[in-house]
Amino acid sequence: AQTVTQSQPEMSVQEAETVTLSCTYDTSESNYYLFWYKQPPSRQMILVIRQEAYKQQNATENRFSVNFQKAAKSFSLKISDSQLGDTAMYFCAFMKSAVQGAQKLVFGQGTRLTINP
Amino acid sequence: AAGVIQSPRHLIKEKRETATLKCYPIPRHDTVYWYQQGPGQDPQFLISFYEKMQSDKGSIPDRFSAQQFSDYHSELNMSSLELGDSALYFCASSLDQQTQYFGPGTRLLVL
Repeated sequence: AQTVTQSQPEMSVQEAETVTLSCTYDTSESNYYLFWYKQPPSRQMILVIRQEAYKQQNATENRFSVNFQKAAKSFSLKISDSQLGDTAMYFCAFMKSAVQGAQKLVFGQGTRLTINP
Repeated sequence: AAGVIQSPRHLIKEKRETATLKCYPIPRHDTVYWYQQGPGQDPQFLISFYEKMQSDKGSIPDRFSAQQFSDYHSELNMSSLELGDSALYFCASSLDQQTQYFGPGTRLLVL
C-alpha cells in the first residue's frame, strides 16, 4: 500500500516570502502521479500542481513549483512571493497510474500554512 | 469553466435516518470518485465509478451504497446514519483518470 507523509503540521511565513512544504511517499509502483491540493478555510479542495513520475522536469504553475526527487521519493512544493490568499491547508497526494480503472488519491496528513501580513 | 456540482451543500440528519448525496461531474468527465473528510483529517477514499461501473472501493461502510447513472451523475446513499458519519463528503471527477477535480463538498451533520 502507498503512504504519504507530510512532516510539517504547521508553517507560518511573512507575505512575499518563499516557503517550501515537504512531502515524502512510499510506493513500489514505477508509474504514478503526485499532486498538491490546497484547502482554504472554505474547505474547497483546489488542485495546485501535478507531476507525472515519468517526467524528470519539475512541474511549475506560476508561483508554485515542485522539487520531485524520484529516487528519494520526495515531492516538495515551493511557493514564491507568498500572498495572503495562499493561507490554507496543503495536502500532498499520490495516485497510481490508471492501468486498470480509476485510481484513488492517497493523501498526506496536510500542512497548515499561514501567510502573515 | 464548469466545475463539479454537489447537492445538497449542507445536510442535517438524525441518527438512524437515511441521506442521499448527489454529484454532477464536469461535462465530458467519465469517472467519479467519493471521499470522506472528518474534522481535522485528510480525505479518505470511499468508492469510484468509471463509465457507470464501479471501479474501486475503499473504506466504505456496508450501510453506504453508490452508483453512477447514464448521464454520469452519481449518488451516494447512506442509511442507518451514525454520529461518526458527520463529515465533509467530496465528489471528484476526471476525464483521463489522471487528474481529479473536486466539488465543493456536502457537509453532513448527524445529530
